[in-house]
Parts: sequence; C-alpha cells; structure tokens
Amino acid sequence: AAGVIQSPRHLIKEKRETATLKCYPIPRHDTVYWYQQGPGQDPQFLISFYEKMQSDKGSIPDRFSAQQFSDYHSELNMSSLELGDSALYFCAGKTGAHMNTEAFFGQGTRLTVV
Amino acid sequence: SQQGEEDPQALSIQEGENATMNCSYKTSINNLQWYRQNSGRGLVHLILIRSNEREKHSGRLRVTLDTSKKSSSLLITASRAADTASYFCATDWGGTSYGKLTFGQGTILTVHP
Repeated sequence: AAGVIQSPRHLIKEKRETATLKCYPIPRHDTVYWYQQGPGQDPQFLISFYEKMQSDKGSIPDRFSAQQFSDYHSELNMSSLELGDSALYFCAGKTGAHMNTEAFFGQGTRLTVV
Repeated sequence: SQQGEEDPQALSIQEGENATMNCSYKTSINNLQWYRQNSGRGLVHLILIRSNEREKHSGRLRVTLDTSKKSSSLLITASRAADTASYFCATDWGGTSYGKLTFGQGTILTVHP
C-alpha cells in the first residue's frame, strides 16, 4: 500500500538560504501535520492543515510557512535558515482531523544547515 | 503542558526477555499512540488505544491505559535484537487540537542477542 511520501529525503543548505520540503499523504487523507525532531529529541509539532485550511499551529518560527494544496499535498517553506534548523522533519497524515484514528508518518526529510 | 514523560529513558535487556516502557501525561486525552523509531529514521505506528479502552494487543505488543492515573505502558514480550529502537508515546487530546500529537521523550530500547 502507498505510504506517506516526503521529498527530498536529505537536504543540505547554507545559512540564510531557503528550503522547501514536500509531503504527499496517503490518498483520501485530508489532514496533514508537520513535526520537527532535533538530534536526540522527541518530535515537536509545527503546524497542521485540515481540508486545505490551517487547523493548528505549534512552535513554528515566523521564518517558516506551510500550505496544503488542492490535491492535499503539503509544502513547508523555510527561509533564512539557521544552524539550529538542522533536524529531521516529518509529515503525517490521517483522514478527518477529529477522527479517533492513527496518524501515518513519512520517512522524514533530514535537513542539514551548514 | 500536555507533554508526556516516559520511563525509563533507556532500557537494556537480553533477547527473550520482556521489555516494559511507561508513559505519563498531564491532561485528558482522546487517544494515546505508541510509535517506534529506528535510529534517525521514520516513525512507525505500533498501537492506538482510545480513552475508553484499557488494554490492547498486537502480536508481541500489549498496551495498557489508565486514565485515572494518566499513564500508559507498552510491553514487548519475548524481545528480539530487531526490537532495538526508540519508542515514543504520543497523546491526542482531541477537542481543538485537530488530532495533533504531543510526544513523550522516548525510551531507547537495546536488545542484546
């Protein structure tokens, strides 16, 4: 079965550059979540979308923005990158934001800022 | 804060032994989920237990939930070297959270062959 696809899998950027991370959820999953996991840390919620509208916002820096498109894929845009942005970025999807069901995670994008 | 805490932070056992990890959280929840992560890789969903459930099984995994104590445990029976990974609990507290998950700090499990 198709899983959540994230691209790219690895990304190396220099400070002050921009990066765009993409997430393609499982078909019929209308809710997407973005998480950031620093080295040795637990995943931290960044932002979520339900039916293409932002549904919740966590500890996402103002330098980051995201959106969900008509085909339900999502993109996380990161500008003015800092060394501290180096982390593993996950997206997850599910059907129905309020449904009492599990979220399925992608393999993540490892971002390294040098 | 909604963040959960897991204990132990690290667990080292021999193949064949059972491994128990605990998770505590602070507010009421819709459900609690357990995930597994191999070193720096993706999060693999293991089990979801809803707030009205007390125990669930999946293969060698058993999860319990005690909402009165705001705690959950994950038991892996007859462990294998391939079970070596980090295990995270994550809570969905429903309501206006729109299904976002709040993760605990994780337990690093090492199973020695």
